[in-house]
Amino acid sequence: QITLKESGPTLVKPTQTLTLTCTFSGFSLTTSGMGVGWFRQSPGKALEWLALIYWNDDKRYSPSLKTRLTITKDTSKNQVALTMTNMDPVDTATYLCTQWSQGARRVDLWGQGALVTVSS
Amino acid sequence: DIVMTQTPLSSPVTLGQPASISCRSSQSLVDSDGSTYLNWLQQRPGQPPRLLIYKISNRVSGVPDRFSGSGAGTDFTLKISRVEAEDVGIYYCMQARQFPLTFGGGTTVEIK
Repeated sequence: QITLKESGPTLVKPTQTLTLTCTFSGFSLTTSGMGVGWFRQSPGKALEWLALIYWNDDKRYSPSLKTRLTITKDTSKNQVALTMTNMDPVDTATYLCTQWSQGARRVDLWGQGALVTVSS
Repeated sequence: DIVMTQTPLSSPVTLGQPASISCRSSQSLVDSDGSTYLNWLQQRPGQPPRLLIYKISNRVSGVPDRFSGSGAGTDFTLKISRVEAEDVGIYYCMQARQFPLTFGGGTTVEIK
């Protein structure tokens, strides 16, 4: 059974750096074609893709957020971390990590999401 | 970026009746490998999204066959043949032809 779970702070102050961790099970990020992605969903709004990391450590970032994002993986712990700098209230959203299959280019499974509020 | 446009915004449907959602992309989603990377996702209230269909028409294991996808190039459709109560939620199309991955704005399916 594949599961993904996001963890991290629920509240951050403006200008602070957010670090979220995705802990997954049921698949390995050393398997060719596998990836883990991060998305977010602002309250009542549509989905937005943030970043993706592949089994071979190749990385992709949303161009509009690229300067603020860093995605890394720790295959020994089955974890992927996303760091977002200079947080702003508009970054308040539910952040979701996902399993990505490169062959079919699809998001196979989503975590439950972690709500992050940016407020002073 | 590829812009994804969904219509309608909302679709009130009687139980047992069909529903149809359209999605149009600002450029072709056909990749150089010949595949078309268009996915459909369902988001039930209070839940994370769930993949229903990938590459236009391929249903994910466990998805009821009342869901079907069709289309080509830049125009795509998700159809629910007979809407059930559990189908209530927001449906998104998503393109994976190129980065950045982008989504339609969502279509809310609700029961009349």
